[in-house]
Amino acid sequence: GAGVSQSPSNKVTEKGKDVELRCDPISGHTALYWYRQSLGQGLEFLIYFQGNSAPDKSGLPSDRFSAERTGGSVSTLTIQRTQQEDSAVYLCASSLIPESGNTIYFGEGSWLTVV
Amino acid sequence: QKEVEQDPGPLSVPEGAIVSLNCTYSNSAFQYFMWYRQYSRKGPELLMYTYSSGNKEDGRFTAQVDKSSKYISLFIRDSQPSDSATYLCAMSVVGSGYSTLTFGKGTMLLVSP
Repeated sequence: GAGVSQSPSNKVTEKGKDVELRCDPISGHTALYWYRQSLGQGLEFLIYFQGNSAPDKSGLPSDRFSAERTGGSVSTLTIQRTQQEDSAVYLCASSLIPESGNTIYFGEGSWLTVV
Repeated sequence: QKEVEQDPGPLSVPEGAIVSLNCTYSNSAFQYFMWYRQYSRKGPELLMYTYSSGNKEDGRFTAQVDKSSKYISLFIRDSQPSDSATYLCAMSVVGSGYSTLTFGKGTMLLVSP
């Protein structure tokens, strides 16, 4: 597609349930990033993919969070046993090559509310 | 001290005003500096991109980087109501191998007609 596509755009889930968030990056972009944006907070880095591998997953807040990428394209961020503090916007971004300073393009985000 | 500090605002200005948005940072290794604009319930959109120190101009927008002071600015001339959004500064280091950005919390700008 023309831009980074994320789904679902909105998700309301009950505390304790698992959720999956999907990201389809710009075609041909090898680098993919997940960020989280909580109310009143800046964007917080979660994980970076180069191809299908994740050289940096240092931002994942707990072992309830995991992510994978398949075929060097689509990525899924999974949150298990969701907690209310997981409520946030989860933003996916991609860049053509993973060099420092390379332009990163963001999707519209998946707005997660845990009730 | 957070790596990147940015006043959250809101900053309210009348249409036509010159707007100044700023960030300070503590990590002297930052070399790439960006400004993103984020409309309500939308993803961040890249506005300006600067490498190292200096000025960069694009239409009504000017980005300035002062590495000696660890201070970056975004100026918006002839501000329009459509400029009402949250502006996020972001920066990254050279040689990290990938573009992991460190963001400020964003400044909300409101331009009234």
